[in-house]
Amino acid sequence: SQELEQSPQSLIVQEGKNLTINCTSSKTLYGLYWYKQKYGEGLIFLMMLQKGGEEKSHEKITAKLDEKKQQSSLHITASQPSHAGIYLCGAEPGGNFNKFYFGSGTKLNVKP
Amino acid sequence: DTEVTQTPKHLVMGMTNKKSLKCEQHMGHRAMYWYKQKAKKPPELMFVYSYEKLSINESVPSRFSPECPNSSLLNLHLHALQPEDSALYLCASSQDRGRATNSMNSPLHFGNGTRLTVT
Repeated sequence: SQELEQSPQSLIVQEGKNLTINCTSSKTLYGLYWYKQKYGEGLIFLMMLQKGGEEKSHEKITAKLDEKKQQSSLHITASQPSHAGIYLCGAEPGGNFNKFYFGSGTKLNVKP
Repeated sequence: DTEVTQTPKHLVMGMTNKKSLKCEQHMGHRAMYWYKQKAKKPPELMFVYSYEKLSINESVPSRFSPECPNSSLLNLHLHALQPEDSALYLCASSQDRGRATNSMNSPLHFGNGTRLTVT
């Protein structure tokens, strides 16, 4: 969806390095979801953010939601090869329920 | 293991064939979705069913025909497809995000997809 833009499009990092992926919406966000996808497979739900300023963590992945800026960031600390994949943000921009769109995706490669 | 099951995993069909993709979930979700994903692109929303009724059709060509026989099943009937329809087709389910009182707590759960090749 053009309503959700992700950056960067791709990322190659050395194992152990930190990285950040951003997702920006052109419309008001009523929640933001992060997913991970391995090539050719289904999407794995990582976490959801509902309120402005909310921050959630799962293992070494932390996500934040800035409602005013209509954007979210996903931060991985001390990256591992298992973190490699495509990260997608998803939302219903403008609050159009059930019209769940995805951002353009960020392909992450972690070099051992 | 995913709680949304899609069959078949792979499908090769000719342009004159008729085939169907199937999706099943037993999580009590009342919203079900079809997405199409081309290589190196994000999933694109095709259809959404809410309480077994078609609520969203993202201007999908009529050669794709969705069906929701009951709250657990979602089908996608395919007829006279084109080679450019080759893609990964993903099914998802969630609580109905328009009606559930706490709908924003309900992420979409995805199946592993059907890899479709049209020859």
